[in-house]
Amino acid sequence: NAGVTQTPKFQVLKTGQSMTLQCAQDMNHEYMSWYRQDPGMGLRLIHYSVGAGITDQGEVPNGYNVSRSTTEDFPLRLLSAAPSQTSVYFCASSYSMPGRGPGGETQYFGPGTRLLVL
Amino acid sequence: GNSVTQMEGPVTLSEEAFLTINCTYTATGYPSLFWYVQYPGEGLQLLLKATKADDKGSNKGFEATYRKETTSFHLEKGSVQVSDSAVYFCALSDQGYSTLTFGKGTMLLVSP
Repeated sequence: NAGVTQTPKFQVLKTGQSMTLQCAQDMNHEYMSWYRQDPGMGLRLIHYSVGAGITDQGEVPNGYNVSRSTTEDFPLRLLSAAPSQTSVYFCASSYSMPGRGPGGETQYFGPGTRLLVL
Repeated sequence: GNSVTQMEGPVTLSEEAFLTINCTYTATGYPSLFWYVQYPGEGLQLLLKATKADDKGSNKGFEATYRKETTSFHLEKGSVQVSDSAVYFCALSDQGYSTLTFGKGTMLLVSP
């Protein structure tokens, strides 16, 4: 298993440009999430999904869009990049035991995408 | 809402010293508690977890006990190594949610 993969590893954008950060997992996990990591802020939740076709907003969703058309993929779209979106972005996936709802699962993280917006 | 507070770093120790990184939380329900570790240039990986009060999580010599009465989940290791140098994140997951609330992270630097 490749686990959780993210592309690209590093990206430079100009203000106003759009782009898509890719995230894929091959573990058949139902839950997927996007976080951003900023110095002194820890990781903050952007958007998450509990299954194909179901997404919801996290703590800092503004300026980002997501969709989940398959179990494997959960892309994050920056609609019009701003310098405040300069950050490291992590995708994560997890699953719950059969018959149990979410809560308490181990999250598996990708290696991250470092984004610089000029 | 939920929140996690952990001690600020960096924590600087000599090899074989005892480590404690404090973590306290606020949650409305009965959360699960985690410690994740991030080595330089890498993503996060689970270090240990505890899913109910009085549970002790342990891994690679690290331990943490879920203390409901003090809403704490302090990370300890009896003898740190240079290879333990990393950023450590305390986090919680509330029942019914597939996502994590993180503390701000504590950098640990271990010198030979």
